Amino acid sequence: GAVVSQHPSWVICKSGTSVKIECRSLDFQATTMFWYRQFPKQSLMLMATSNEGSKATYEQGVEKDKFLINHASLTLSTLTVTSAHPEDSSFYICSASLLLASGNYNEQFFGPGTRLTVL
Amino acid sequence: AQTVTQSQPEMSVQEAETVTLSCTYDTSESNYYLFWYKQPPSRQMILVIRQEAYKQQNATENRFSVNFQKAAKSFSLKISDSQLGDTAMYFCAFMDNQGGKLIFGQGTELSVKP
Repeated sequence: GAVVSQHPSWVICKSGTSVKIECRSLDFQATTMFWYRQFPKQSLMLMATSNEGSKATYEQGVEKDKFLINHASLTLSTLTVTSAHPEDSSFYICSASLLLASGNYNEQFFGPGTRLTVL
Repeated sequence: AQTVTQSQPEMSVQEAETVTLSCTYDTSESNYYLFWYKQPPSRQMILVIRQEAYKQQNATENRFSVNFQKAAKSFSLKISDSQLGDTAMYFCAFMDNQGGKLIFGQGTELSVKP
């Protein structure tokens, strides 16, 4: 099956610093990658959708200057949390999907997540 | 806009018994996908089962099966012969086949008791 990795799996940083999270599709080329945020005991909230070589599309209410997304290749997307504050502490999950020859998508493959703690 | 609703925040079942998790959704699309994902304490999202809306036959994967009622916009998950390893958060999700975005329900926390 398709494998997606995330790095780091957990990170602790000081308030005001920036943190970068990497998402890689290991055995397929991902047309589209998605970034989610999840608080304890809650559902996944989609933050943004990124396509290789183009700007990410952010969901309503997500600050694009706070959460910078880069999708430089078909196997790598990065999420940078800029000037992190304690309220940015959360579990961040990426997923990747493949545009089929039919022009449709049919599944997302999830990374293992990154736990961010901002002190 | 599409919405997904899971009305059971928590459920419990005895080991070896059967449990059904409910999910309803709303969409004006005719062609789409529905999913059940399992999120164990490790928090890795695991695909349990997928249903394509154009298929009338309910999907099954070993002990997991769905009851897909397209007209009623209902998509329930049945877990047979529940095992301790089934303890997890379960999310119902909707995907249109154009943008590939997943819309998740609120989740149901399932506990399997010995």
